[in-house]
Amino acid sequence: DVKVTQSSRYLVKRTGEKVFLECVQDMDHENMFWYRQDPGLGLRLIYFSYDVKMKEKGDIPEGYSVSREKKERFSLILESASTNQTSMYLCASSEILKTEAFFGQGTRLTVV
Amino acid sequence: QQQVKQSPQSLIVQKGGISIINCAYENTAFDYFPWYQQFPGKGPALLIAIRPDVSEKKEGRFTISFNKSAKQFSLHIMDSQPGDSATYFCAANSGYALNFGKGTSLLVTP
Repeated sequence: DVKVTQSSRYLVKRTGEKVFLECVQDMDHENMFWYRQDPGLGLRLIYFSYDVKMKEKGDIPEGYSVSREKKERFSLILESASTNQTSMYLCASSEILKTEAFFGQGTRLTVV
Repeated sequence: QQQVKQSPQSLIVQKGGISIINCAYENTAFDYFPWYQQFPGKGPALLIAIRPDVSEKKEGRFTISFNKSAKQFSLHIMDSQPGDSATYFCAANSGYALNFGKGTSLLVTP
């Protein structure tokens, strides 16, 4: 079974902190994604990566950056956390485009 | 802007009934249309998907109907069960990433 693992289920951070969300997949997938999920807004794409060291902005990249130094690991970075970044963050991976994307269990981040 | 519009936002169906969720899109470049199911505390998981060369796909109690000319697709859940209570997301893909609808919260009552 494909497994996408996010390092934390719950995080509480203070405004202005630098926050790292880590995601690891174990199926050698080329593509990895970070989504943000908010009630009534669905899933919105923050960033994605189609190869090591490659990244592309999604629909809502402002306030975020990403890092992919190894194929299996994709990190989301909040440079200076703000309260409006309180949300559920979901990581996903897929082998090739336009096929099944596998999601992690999510990280619920609260910024206070 | 939301590239995939999903309705209704919430749905209550009695056990044994049919649940229907609708989605519409504008981008004619979309050519892969999956539905994801999400239970509380879990990430979304692929339920069923369709490509635009067919008008319908059925897997067990779940059916996608696809209308290319109307740019609409829908999920039908036959004989709905309480265990189907979850949030359902439609999505569409033309390139690297999926564009999701806002989700439908389905409650199936006993």
